[in-house]
Amino acid sequence: LAKTTQPISMDSYEGQEVNITCSHNNIATNDYITWYQQFPSQGPRFIIQGYKTKVTNEVASLFIPADRKSSTLSLPRVSLSDTAVYYCLVGLANAGGTSYGKLTFGQGTILTVHP
Amino acid sequence: EAGVTQFPSHSVIEKGQTVTLRCDPISGHDNLYWYRRVMGKEIKFLLHFVKESKQDESGMPNNRFLAERTGGTYSTLKVQPAELEDSGVYFCASSQGTSGGHPYNEQFFGPGTRLTVL
Repeated sequence: LAKTTQPISMDSYEGQEVNITCSHNNIATNDYITWYQQFPSQGPRFIIQGYKTKVTNEVASLFIPADRKSSTLSLPRVSLSDTAVYYCLVGLANAGGTSYGKLTFGQGTILTVHP
Repeated sequence: EAGVTQFPSHSVIEKGQTVTLRCDPISGHDNLYWYRRVMGKEIKFLLHFVKESKQDESGMPNNRFLAERTGGTYSTLKVQPAELEDSGVYFCASSQGTSGGHPYNEQFFGPGTRLTVL
């Protein structure tokens, strides 16, 4: 499984854009990159997933360079409610391109949004 | 649609006692997973059910842990006898089976059960 490295913590202010970068140098060809968000006293929640280039949904954008050795989660105009732990996960696809197996969590990035 | 539910939300027991955690997945989800986070550590995978069958139980720490999913609906995780190091938050998650058409099968997590062993 590809190991991920992301900052332990980040601070931001309301209304700013936040970019959290994750390194995954050993990502495999069939691996997808997925980000989860976890609020205190809750379970993790899926945010976004991508394989290459850029993916955008109503919550965030995910930028993946051509070599796929890193990825950046972008949160536009954060608010206080975006304060949470953000996890970058890779290694979720099997040879068939789909995976229903376990998730491997790292330490995650604690994002604190200040007023 | 109801999400993944877990019961109890908190449990405080003494070392040597038995505790049973319950997870109700989202209706229709074939995949059910158990994870846990012990103090200061990362969230770790315990096991994965596909319907009533154990697909992967490589994360189960030892034979004091027993997971079941009779009938392929809800699941229980029993710890017997509990030890101090079993304290932590136990999460359950579920995901759809082969339907959906998405390459990655999103896992939906419950709020967790906080277990404290004294």
